[in-house]
Amino acid sequence: DAKTTQPNSMESNEEEPVHLPCNHSTISGTDYIHWYRQLPSQGPEYVIHGLTSNVNNRMASLAIAEDRKSSTLILHRATLRDAAVYYCILTMNSGYSTLTFGKGTMLLVSP
Amino acid sequence: DAGVTQSPTHLIKTRGQQVTLRCSPKSGHDTVSWYQQALGQGPQFIFQYYEEEERQRGNFPDRFSGHQFPNYSSELNVNALLLGDSALYLCASSEGLAGRETQYFGPGTRLLVL
Repeated sequence: DAKTTQPNSMESNEEEPVHLPCNHSTISGTDYIHWYRQLPSQGPEYVIHGLTSNVNNRMASLAIAEDRKSSTLILHRATLRDAAVYYCILTMNSGYSTLTFGKGTMLLVSP
Repeated sequence: DAGVTQSPTHLIKTRGQQVTLRCSPKSGHDTVSWYQQALGQGPQFIFQYYEEEERQRGNFPDRFSGHQFPNYSSELNVNALLLGDSALYLCASSEGLAGRETQYFGPGTRLLVL
């Protein structure tokens, strides 16, 4: 699977938008971009995924660069519950659904 | 709709013992994957089951084995436990094997080996 690069940590204030970046310069044309998050003492939780176009769901938005070499997870209004480690993961559409986790970005949210 | 469930939630074993962890997938899911998460690290893929067969395996020794039952539930077995096997063991389920499929995780089983 292609590799992703994320900042180790980011900080935000409650009620403010958060933009979590992910670089994936070696992405191939059929790789899906997935975002998962893991709250303390819980299993990872699916957030959003996309292929080429920007995606929105009730949790977040995913903005994918035109060349697909980077993407940004957008939390529109951070809450204390959004404090978690966020993982950006690529999977091959023609491959298996197994996930290769990196270190992710630890998001700290202050009241 | 129940999500992915795992049992037990916590377990304490001693070196050399054997352990069995259990997982029930989300309703409608036929594929189960297992991950090991050491403290402070991201989850590491152990293996994936589909149609009662191991389809893919990560870099784990043969001491780690599994099984999938006709109802899609799964077990993870670890023999000859080592101190380094202490970790959170996560089960994830999905609808099929394809890379586009979303995986849904259970809360995990925390194993402590003394």
